[in-house]
Amino acid sequence: AQSVTQLDSQVPVFEEAPVELRCNYSSSVSVYLFWYVQYPNQGLQLLLKYLSGSTLVKGINGFEAEFNKSQTSFHLRKPSVHISDTAEYFCAVIGTGFQKLVFGTGTRLLVSP
Amino acid sequence: EAQVTQNPRYLITVTGKKLTVTCSQNMNHEYMSWYRQDPGLGLRQIYYSMNVEVTDKGDVPEGYKVSRKEKRNFPLILESPSPNQTSLYFCASSLKHQETQYFGPGTRLLVL
Repeated sequence: AQSVTQLDSQVPVFEEAPVELRCNYSSSVSVYLFWYVQYPNQGLQLLLKYLSGSTLVKGINGFEAEFNKSQTSFHLRKPSVHISDTAEYFCAVIGTGFQKLVFGTGTRLLVSP
Repeated sequence: EAQVTQNPRYLITVTGKKLTVTCSQNMNHEYMSWYRQDPGLGLRQIYYSMNVEVTDKGDVPEGYKVSRKEKRNFPLILESPSPNQTSLYFCASSLKHQETQYFGPGTRLLVL
């Protein structure tokens, strides 16, 4: 089985500052990793994903994440956030050979002027 | 437009009154899934379907039923809703189970 831990339930940050949202996973097999974003009163949409290959993955809206196998992490970063980035961010994992996507509990990013 | 639709978007009901939340996708996806979202718990999978007539339990299946008679539809059935099923429900679909999932807009359910 797999599990995902998002240690930060809420991250406040000022506009134009950098941000990192942390995600750690646990799995006994190789994994595929995802970051989804949920804007207020909306469904989830994909930000980026790691399936294989380069460990640095670039997504939409200037976000990127780095897969670190030794630390079992997949942290999400953005060098300069905007007010419009205020949303909830979910990390998710699925192990090869498994059929269920497992989500973390989410991190609420609050960007203030 | 490629999308996942859910109906209704909002529903208030009473304990024990059977209800169905519909989910439909127009992307010819094989994999479909239902999640519930609760504060502090993230998204938890209720049921999923790998293809037509193939369904399986997720992490929190108690009190729910599903069916997959057609590829595009995956309704969620609450035969006897209880207040602890008050939640925000999302349907999602993907081409294959390990690929990007596309989410519907959500159904907010209140069981009194």
